[in-house]
Amino acid sequence: GAVVSQHPSWVICKSGTSVKIECRSLDFQATTMFWYRQFPKQSLMLMATSNEGSKATYEQGVEKDKFLINHASLTLSTLTVTSAHPEDSSFYICSAREGHSGNTIYFGEGSWLTVV
Amino acid sequence: AQSVTQLDSQVPVFEEAPVELRCNYSSSVSVYLFWYVQYPNQGLQLLLKYLSGSTLVKGINGFEAEFNKSQTSFHLRKPSVHISDTAEYFCAVNQGGSEKLVFGKGTKLTVNP
Repeated sequence: GAVVSQHPSWVICKSGTSVKIECRSLDFQATTMFWYRQFPKQSLMLMATSNEGSKATYEQGVEKDKFLINHASLTLSTLTVTSAHPEDSSFYICSAREGHSGNTIYFGEGSWLTVV
Repeated sequence: AQSVTQLDSQVPVFEEAPVELRCNYSSSVSVYLFWYVQYPNQGLQLLLKYLSGSTLVKGINGFEAEFNKSQTSFHLRKPSVHISDTAEYFCAVNQGGSEKLVFGKGTKLTVNP
């Protein structure tokens, strides 16, 4: 199946700094990517839909100025957590839709963010 | 609005026993249905999907699921589980034409020796 890769897998940053997480589709072009957040022992919460060449669409309650999303190419979307705080610590997962595979969405391995 | 209910938050079973993980959804229009598996500290891996056609869908690792429109269910089954099947399983749905996936809360399957 299609492969989606995230980097880094683990990151620790100081409170107040910004951190960037990359999501790449390795063997297909993804016009649309999705960013999720998963708290421990909970389900995935969709944060935003990332569209190549246009602005991301954020879900209700997600601060777009805090979670900056850039989808500059058909294989790369980035999520930047700005001015991170300890409550931003979470597991962030991206996914991408393979354009011609019948709505199948593939997920990255996830990125653990710890803000200290 | 769509919603997904996974009735069991935890399912413990013994190795080689059969297992069924339940999933019900609510939607007023046609849907696509998915099961994903998440191993500890990892992302999600697609197990199987129902888009159309045969209501019995076979996936990887010996799993299968049956779409039941009248009961709005998409239960996941495996006739004989292994220790390595221990993981969190998520049922997800999206409406035909929509790109958003709505996830259930997950079912933690623990296979004991």
